[in-house]
Amino acid sequence: AQRVTQPEKLLSVFKGAPVELKCNYSYSGSPELFWYVQYSRQRLQLLLRHISRESIKGFTADLNKGETSFHLKKPFAQEEDSAMYYCALRRGYQLIWGAGTKLIIKP
Amino acid sequence: EAQVTQNPRYLITVTGKKLTVTCSQNMNHEYMSWYRQDPGLGLRQIYYSMNVEVTDKGDVPEGYKVSRKEKRNFPLILESPSPNQTSLYFCISRAAGGDTEAFFGQGTRLTVV
Repeated sequence: AQRVTQPEKLLSVFKGAPVELKCNYSYSGSPELFWYVQYSRQRLQLLLRHISRESIKGFTADLNKGETSFHLKKPFAQEEDSAMYYCALRRGYQLIWGAGTKLIIKP
Repeated sequence: EAQVTQNPRYLITVTGKKLTVTCSQNMNHEYMSWYRQDPGLGLRQIYYSMNVEVTDKGDVPEGYKVSRKEKRNFPLILESPSPNQTSLYFCISRAAGGDTEAFFGQGTRLTVV
């Protein structure tokens, strides 16, 4: 069965420290993966997608098919990165979502 | 401005009183979907629609209905709300095709007492 797992419900790091938000998936085909972010009092929005291999707000995510992972990374966390982060896997028209990780950046 | 609009943003209601949460998008998207967001459970899909008059159940459809009479609108109907439907609800729309971004509504926080 297709599934997205974000093992950490909460991640707290100090400003300037590296951040890694974990995402693992199970999918029999060729996966298409996304990271979405929800800042306080704002709607969920797309952060990045693996196909475009882009860096957004300093975040990158590499698809590792061997480990079935799509971890989100940033070398130096900033306070404005505090938010809820969701990993999602596309299955046809649908998106399968992880449970989300709340990231708190401490000053 | 491209957007997905949900109404109302907040709603407190009593058990058994029928309610409708509206969702409208102005991007001519084919795909629309409703999710509920609960602490520790993330986003769970309630219903989705791939186009007008085409709807299907998601993972947690019990207690909900939807309709898609027009492309832009996808209302969520709770015929007889119960307290376990207290949640934060999101409407999403996407264009057809693969790597298309999902656009979220601003959310509706529903409390059923």
